[in-house]
Amino acid sequence: NAGVTQTPKFQVLKTGQSMTLQCAQDMNHNSMYWYRQDPGMGLRLIYYSASEGTTDKGEVPNGYNVSRLNKREFSLRLESAAPSQTSVYFCASSRQVNQETQYFGPGTRLLVL
Amino acid sequence: EDQVTQSPEALRLQEGESSSLNCSYTVSGLRGLFWYRQDPGKGPEFLFTLYSAGEEKEKERLKATLTKKESFLHITAPKPEDSATYLCAVQARTGNQFYFGTGTSLTVIP
Repeated sequence: NAGVTQTPKFQVLKTGQSMTLQCAQDMNHNSMYWYRQDPGMGLRLIYYSASEGTTDKGEVPNGYNVSRLNKREFSLRLESAAPSQTSVYFCASSRQVNQETQYFGPGTRLLVL
Repeated sequence: EDQVTQSPEALRLQEGESSSLNCSYTVSGLRGLFWYRQDPGKGPEFLFTLYSAGEEKEKERLKATLTKKESFLHITAPKPEDSATYLCAVQARTGNQFYFGTGTSLTVIP
């Protein structure tokens, strides 16, 4: 039982390049989330998917797109990376979106030059 | 505006020296308050969920309490392995988002 897995662990991009961060969970959870964590800012929600087939914007969605591929997988895409997107990205999942504990993956460290 | 503030930002304790971390929040109705532990280079690890004022939860040397405006994470006789950043998050009744505080970095010195 791996919980929440994320790939890649670390990535370096040049400004303007695109990439997709992958996330998968094996806990049969309905809801999945993408956060970014920056020093002094705390974790901020980018997008979430309350259930398969739905996605909604969080606090900081600009510059990102998401896809809920199936119940297990939720990907985050940067179409044209910017230095301001240098951050640590965490994926999380929960049974439902309300009042439910979120379980986090190990994170992807992204550096945009 | 929904907001979560944690204090202190950093705390250094001697092994065995008990203390408390604070999480104050302003939300339009609390749906739940969550405590997480985060070790360097890793994702947050769930500790506790509290839903209503007066509720308390315990796990080993940690005890979380909740009032209408704040939560405390009490650490009794801490050990060096308790060193980590402790995060607090709240979910409001309106909307589905979780709001995280910036955390308290705890260092326990042997």
